[in-house]
Amino acid sequence: QVQLQESGPGLVKPSQTLSLTCSVSAGSISSGSYYWNWIRQPAGKALEWIGRISAIGSTDYNPSLKSRVTMSVDASKNQFSLELSSVTAADTAIYYCARYYYDSSAFYLDYWGQGTLVTVSS
Amino acid sequence: DIQMTQSPSSLSASVGDRVTLTCRASQSITRHLNWYQQKAGKAPKLLMSVTSNLHSGVPSRFTGSRSGTDFTLTISSLQPEDSATYYCQQSQSLPLTFGGGTKVDIK
Repeated sequence: QVQLQESGPGLVKPSQTLSLTCSVSAGSISSGSYYWNWIRQPAGKALEWIGRISAIGSTDYNPSLKSRVTMSVDASKNQFSLELSSVTAADTAIYYCARYYYDSSAFYLDYWGQGTLVTVSS
Repeated sequence: DIQMTQSPSSLSASVGDRVTLTCRASQSITRHLNWYQQKAGKAPKLLMSVTSNLHSGVPSRFTGSRSGTDFTLTISSLQPEDSATYYCQQSQSLPLTFGGGTKVDIK
């Protein structure tokens, strides 16, 4: 079954850019009806959807973060990435990548990475 | 944005109890409601999609239902491995939104 794995720095300084990559294995990022998502979770809090990207690079972002978010995809490496600019302590969270399946009647996040903790601190 | 409100925020029940979790949407989401289970220190896992479709491998003691904009997740006979936080999530429209979660503890 498909596996997702986040990677990137665990510590980012305030005002800098957070950069994460999600590597997809046991399945092509370009096949099937999927979007590739980023979701985050501050400690002890609920999940927040950041945005998604298709295999051809079409993106949708959460309006609450849109001005600071950029997502990209590298199908040749079976990876997709997140950049979040101008970070503050409020961006400290576990960041998950996840696959979003869709068809004519169903839409859901069926596979998730294990998550990576990103701390914003000087 | 569609707001998702879960209740209760936490509950404690005994093994074998029937447990009901509720999720309310701020507007119509038809049947586009998914449930996820998150155990401590782990990533969420898909439990159920489109209100009541069990994901592969999920025990049949989990059921889902809908009444208008109110959705319920029922565990018919609570097991020790069901200790977790449960989140609902709407897929009706973007941005995708999650409820605040219900933490289920075993007495």
